[in-house]
Amino acid sequence: QVQLVESGGGVVQPGRSLRLSCAASGFTFNSYGMHWVRQAPGKGLEWVAIIWYDGTNEYSADSVKARFTISRDNSKNTLYLQMNSLRVEDTAVYYCVRGIDYYATPDIWGQGTMVTVAS
Amino acid sequence: QSALTQPASVSGSPGQSITISCTGTSSDVGGYNYVSWYQQRPGKAPKLMIYDVSKRPSGVSNRFFGSKSGNTASLTVSGLQAEDEADYFCSSYTRSSTWVFGGGTKLTVL
Repeated sequence: QVQLVESGGGVVQPGRSLRLSCAASGFTFNSYGMHWVRQAPGKGLEWVAIIWYDGTNEYSADSVKARFTISRDNSKNTLYLQMNSLRVEDTAVYYCVRGIDYYATPDIWGQGTMVTVAS
Repeated sequence: QSALTQPASVSGSPGQSITISCTGTSSDVGGYNYVSWYQQRPGKAPKLMIYDVSKRPSGVSNRFFGSKSGNTASLTVSGLQAEDEADYFCSSYTRSSTWVFGGGTKLTVL
């Protein structure tokens, strides 16, 4: 079955960096666009970034642009999110999400990994 | 990239129907038929309930119905059941090649 397993979360100080990973299985990874979506404690969902199935294009939310970079390694069936210059407001559960159809509608979600930015 | 607008909460009694609205702009909801809806139970990851405005993934009850008119999409849940109590989020593709979510609606089954 389709499975997405995030890792790499933890507690980090403001201004530091962290890299999240998402291991995908149960589907042809290199045929799907992939997203990162986050959810701050007790808050709603916030879309973070998308990368096309072949990695040729990526887009991100204004709130993380120039600080976060989405990437993928199709040979390893793995999605990444490099997070630099972290801020307290980046504290959230980060979900890896598969995208279906031409515009990569988010469909299958991982269980998420918690990132806490605090001094 | 402003969030789509949803009511904070809706409620209904078992067996009744409720509708959750999701309002955007012509740059997102109104411009594309790529609106989706997600159900999220406490402590769990979101689950896709509706995509492409009105399509249901395999396994989702036909009590869930999606529609759109202009810049507003809607999710209707008919024959409310206790298990439907959850948070619901809408999402849309945007003209900037990005995605945007709504603020979420808490559905309470009375």
